[in-house]
Amino acid sequence: SQQGEEDPQALSIQEGENATMNCSYKTSINNLQWYRQNSGRGLVHLILIRSNEREKHSGRLRVTLDTSKKSSSLLITASRAADTASYFCATDEKDKIIFGKGTRLHILP
Amino acid sequence: NAGVTQTPKFQVLKTGQSMTLQCAQDMNHNSMYWYRQDPGMGLRLIYYSASEGTTDKGEVPNGYNVSRLNKREFSLRLESAAPSQTSVYFCASSALAGRSSYEQYFGPGTRLTVT
Repeated sequence: SQQGEEDPQALSIQEGENATMNCSYKTSINNLQWYRQNSGRGLVHLILIRSNEREKHSGRLRVTLDTSKKSSSLLITASRAADTASYFCATDEKDKIIFGKGTRLHILP
Repeated sequence: NAGVTQTPKFQVLKTGQSMTLQCAQDMNHNSMYWYRQDPGMGLRLIYYSASEGTTDKGEVPNGYNVSRLNKREFSLRLESAAPSQTSVYFCASSALAGRSSYEQYFGPGTRLTVT
């Protein structure tokens, strides 16, 4: 089955800086989603971008989608300590979604 | 509105024991899912139920069974637990399936250790 794959696996940045993480996938999709997981918790949905969209914003989040390259990026601007978490992309496959292995983001004070 | 609830939160089993993980949602969602998450891995789908009355296998169904008891509840059963089933189990729900154009809502997880 296809699976989104995030890059980098881990990322540490200073508070206030921007964080960018990427997701690549293998086959065509209808939409791509990003989720956040705080340590020891369930996943929380952040944003969904459809295949006919190129960019989407939600607060400090900006997601882009390039279907020709089969890739997406998640940008978090002006990072905060509370953004420390793992971030997963998820791509659709029939009537379910498949998650990548995630990027662990650590915001340094 | 509690969202997605899971019980128990923690469980320790001996090899060969059985148990059922319970999941319930109060959002009137049609679709429900069971995932497992292992260290350094993403979430792997065990089973899902696209709508009440249907269940389907995901990526890693071996050693598990599920029951969609009603629209609200979706349980996961381990008939004979093995150490390889030590993991964190998450239940999720979404309004509809169908190319998954809908966000999933997750429960807090069940941490299972099999010795």
